[in-house]
Amino acid sequence: DVKVTQSSRYLVKRTGEKVFLECVQDMDHENMFWYRQDPGLGLRLIYFSYDVKMKEKGDIPEGYSVSREKKERFSLILESASTNQTSMYLCASSVSGSYNHEQFFGPGTRLTVL
Amino acid sequence: QQQVKQSPQSLIVQKGGISIINCAYENTAFDYFPWYQQFPGKGPALLIAIRPDVSEKKEGRFTISFNKSAKQFSLHIMDSQPGDSATYFCAATFSSNTGKLIFGQGTTLQVKP
Repeated sequence: DVKVTQSSRYLVKRTGEKVFLECVQDMDHENMFWYRQDPGLGLRLIYFSYDVKMKEKGDIPEGYSVSREKKERFSLILESASTNQTSMYLCASSVSGSYNHEQFFGPGTRLTVL
Repeated sequence: QQQVKQSPQSLIVQKGGISIINCAYENTAFDYFPWYQQFPGKGPALLIAIRPDVSEKKEGRFTISFNKSAKQFSLHIMDSQPGDSATYFCAATFSSNTGKLIFGQGTTLQVKP
């Protein structure tokens, strides 16, 4: 079974802190994604990566950056956390060129910025 | 043109009833339409998907109906069960895409016993 793990289930940070969210997948997937989930807004794509060291902005990249130094690991960075970044963050991975683009999600990290 | 609009935002159905969730899209180049199911405390998981060359796809109690001319598709859950209580997301993409999915806003379904 594909497994996507996220470093923390719950995280509480202070405004202005630098925050790292880590995601690891164990199925050698080329594509990895970071979403934030907010009620009524669905899943909004922050960044995605289709290869090591490659990244592309999603729909809401402002205030975030990412790093992908190894194929299995994709990190989301909040350079200076703000209260409006309080949200559920979901990581996902998928095989490049798969016929159904199936994305496999981690369990999420609920981040609270005080 | 990249948006997928989903309704309703929340839905309450009695056990044994039919749950219906609707989605609409603008971009006629979309050619793959999956539905994801998310239980509390879990990430979403692929439930069922359809391509626009068919008007309906059924897997057990779950059916996708697809109306290409109206640019709409819907998920029907027959004989809804309390275990179906979850958040459902529709999505759309292009087969030639890098793997990005455009998700709808989500529907929280509660099936009452």
